[in-house]
Amino acid sequence: GAVVSQHPSWVICKSGTSVKIECRSLDFQATTMFWYRQFPKQSLMLMATSNEGSKATYEQGVEKDKFLINHASLTLSTLTVTSAHPEDSSFYICSAPIPGTGGYGYTFGSGTRLTVV
Amino acid sequence: GENVEQHPSTLSVQEGDSAVIKCTYSDSASNYFPWYKQELGKRPQLIIDIRSNVGEKKDQRIAVTLNKTAKHFSLHITETQPEDSAVYFCAASGSYQLTFGKGTKLSVIP
Repeated sequence: GAVVSQHPSWVICKSGTSVKIECRSLDFQATTMFWYRQFPKQSLMLMATSNEGSKATYEQGVEKDKFLINHASLTLSTLTVTSAHPEDSSFYICSAPIPGTGGYGYTFGSGTRLTVV
Repeated sequence: GENVEQHPSTLSVQEGDSAVIKCTYSDSASNYFPWYKQELGKRPQLIIDIRSNVGEKKDQRIAVTLNKTAKHFSLHITETQPEDSAVYFCAASGSYQLTFGKGTKLSVIP
């Protein structure tokens, strides 16, 4: 249970283009979705928290106009990297609290490897 | 906000030996401390977790200890095997938000 499906698993795009990453909760309703970025050999860094039907909350230093987050339904949250540049190349992972655990459990998407050339 | 420090960054052990990874956290309100194993290019996989009302938890070869007073928690892996080689992350959570340590690359030498 509590499965989050993340797509695509990898994407290569040209500098200046936009890329959309989707995370779908398959068997539960995700009112909250966390988006992380992980550079090679580094930790998962929280970029933003999205809540269904409201604006996302971005961590300090994360450009909200560059990383657009939409959480329009209880089963879908998307991250769009706009005007991507090589420095945006990273591993992006979404995560949601597992329902019924009272905050004592999280499920993760499988991640998206973004390469900007 | 929460700050999680993790040590060591790399750890090499002989197969069969024990491995210990330590983490400290800063926010006394944190009440959930999971440990994740991550293989290259994959999602973090929960291996064990502990809540703030418990001092120790064990699951076969893996154990976690928590000292709330000192704000530190540790992962213990006994009888290590080559398949234990991976990057391990500790994390702390309060208010539905996880903060991760920087990770420990564990290498188990056959």
